[in-house]
Amino acid sequence: SQQGEEDPQALSIQEGENATMNCSYKTSINNLQWYRQNSGRGLVHLILIRSNEREKHSGRLRVTLDTSKKSSSLLITASRAADTASYFCASHGSSNTGKLIFGQGTTLQVKP
Amino acid sequence: IAGITQAPTSQILAAGRRMTLRCTQDMRHNAMYWYRQDLGLGLRLIHYSNTAGTTGKGEVPDGYSVSRANTDDFPLTLASAVPSQTSVYFCASSAREGMGEQFFGPGTRLTVL
Repeated sequence: SQQGEEDPQALSIQEGENATMNCSYKTSINNLQWYRQNSGRGLVHLILIRSNEREKHSGRLRVTLDTSKKSSSLLITASRAADTASYFCASHGSSNTGKLIFGQGTTLQVKP
Repeated sequence: IAGITQAPTSQILAAGRRMTLRCTQDMRHNAMYWYRQDLGLGLRLIHYSNTAGTTGKGEVPDGYSVSRANTDDFPLTLASAVPSQTSVYFCASSAREGMGEQFFGPGTRLTVL
């Protein structure tokens, strides 16, 4: 399988705490993206980090990328109950096939 | 229409029947994609189209076919459905292939009995 791996598979935290999710991928990439999926809904794009970037911020989201380790992390600070969802990383390979390779996802539960 | 729409929302289908899942986008995106999502397996690409008139195979194309007659529509057909095709199917689009974010439809939940 070409899929990446995400860790942990499930995470449960209290509102106000930070949540960190990790992602590993297998091939060299142009960019890596994070998506969010609420239960029963489609995926929504959160943030994209290019292969020449090491860190990116968007509101309460912080993404890091380590191309030497083929890994990325997503940090959600000051979590809210509304952040409860599944989070997926997806890598765009540098072979320019246009295909996103998705990880298996982390299910985050934020308890109020 | 705003973004991507999929139809039907859900469907129960007898094995051996033919089924077409519809996908329409109004963003004039060049690239469109079909994924299936199964518990524990994440999203897997079935077929894609980088521009109208062209299609390509993804990771799990067997049993599925697609067409891209115009920019807006990208139907997915199951010629003879089997129970292993029970899944949630998502259509997505992006402005151009290879880069940038993908926009997803709400999904079609398909059950093959």
